[in-house]
Amino acid sequence: GAVVSQHPSWVICKSGTSVKIECRSLDFQATTMFWYRQFPKQSLMLMATSNEGSKATYEQGVEKDKFLINHASLTLSTLTVTSAHPEDSSFYICSARDSAGGTYTQYFGPGTRLTVL
Amino acid sequence: AQKVTQAQTEISVVEKEDVTLDCVYETRDTTYYLFWYKQPPSGELVFLIRRNSFDEQNEISGRYSWNFQKSTSSFNFTITASQVVDSAVYFCALSGGFGNEKLTFGTGTRLTIIP
Repeated sequence: GAVVSQHPSWVICKSGTSVKIECRSLDFQATTMFWYRQFPKQSLMLMATSNEGSKATYEQGVEKDKFLINHASLTLSTLTVTSAHPEDSSFYICSARDSAGGTYTQYFGPGTRLTVL
Repeated sequence: AQKVTQAQTEISVVEKEDVTLDCVYETRDTTYYLFWYKQPPSGELVFLIRRNSFDEQNEISGRYSWNFQKSTSSFNFTITASQVVDSAVYFCALSGGFGNEKLTFGTGTRLTIIP
């Protein structure tokens, strides 16, 4: 149980294009999902908290107009990197919080490696 | 503010040796949760354990064990009889309770098991 998928697992795009990353909880409902960014050999940096049916909450310093988050259902959140530039190249990881039973465990997706040329 | 410190950046041990990964945390919350995650080279974070602040009982799962001590704000992780498959980056993390569920991660400890 508690499986989270991400798609795509890797993507290469040209500068100026937009990229959408999907995060799905496969066997549980998640009212809250989180998006992280991880640079090589560094820890995870929380970008935003995504709540089903409402606007995402962004961490300080994260541009909400650049990183669009949509949480349209209890099992799907999407992150769209708009007008991507090489500095947006990174490993993006989502997590989903299992809403059942009052647990606060976040289960992570396998990550999406974005390379912007 | 919450903070997690993993002072060990990298550890290398020979296979079959025991190894302990340290984690020290800071929080003002009375209710909080502590986690350990494993990140193998593939990149996916694998959930290992969750502990709430009211449960100081140590836990053992196979070769893995965890020692939670509120008196020293530590939540250490021990791998017994290490194996090459244990090689990964291990993250300790902390979150608050309902309404404060953001995870604060430590900087991670890169563990290498030498065959």
